[in-house]
Amino acid sequence: ETGVTQSPTHLIKTRGQQVTLRCSSQSGHNTVSWYQQALGQGPQFIFQYYREEENGRGNFPPRFSGLQFPNYSSELNVNALELDDSALYLCASREGTGERSYTFGSGTRLTVV
Amino acid sequence: GDSVTQMEGPVTLSEEAFLTINCTYTATGYPSLFWYVQYPGEGLQLLLKATKADDKGSNKGFEATYRKETTSFHLEKGSVQVSDSAVYFCALSANSGYSTLTFGKGTMLLVSP
Repeated sequence: ETGVTQSPTHLIKTRGQQVTLRCSSQSGHNTVSWYQQALGQGPQFIFQYYREEENGRGNFPPRFSGLQFPNYSSELNVNALELDDSALYLCASREGTGERSYTFGSGTRLTVV
Repeated sequence: GDSVTQMEGPVTLSEEAFLTINCTYTATGYPSLFWYVQYPGEGLQLLLKATKADDKGSNKGFEATYRKETTSFHLEKGSVQVSDSAVYFCALSANSGYSTLTFGKGTMLLVSP
């Protein structure tokens, strides 16, 4: 079975621009979560999608938004990029009912200059 | 809210030394507990987990026991190898709601030959 794949692996953007990050969930997984990991810190929960609906959100502003598609892949969109948005963005998926173990992708390293 | 506290690193050991990384948590109810490992430039890999009090998770020589009375989930390994050098994250998932992960800040382990 394939794992979680994220694209692109690295990205450099200018402050004020918009960015879209993509995630393909593991086969059979219908729940996708996104996390932001700043340098030297633990991952922080951004939001989660279950069967195309957002069902949880962390303490991130509305300029962080997302989508989940019928095949359970997902996008993270960030508008009006700020320097502090520079981080590793991790996508994780799991089967929605009962199993608590997430499978993580390798992440997208976003640098805002 | 839920939180996880880990000992600060880096933890520096010689090969074959005994490893302990302390982790304590604060949560309502009875969360599931996890240890994830992150190798340089990579995403997170699940190392082990425990879903209820007194459970012991184990994998690749690593062990951790869910101690409800002390709200702890310390990671141990009897004999570390150079290849164990990585950042280790303790995390919890509340067994209610949308069950996302709350991470500690991570502990870097450096093992020298």
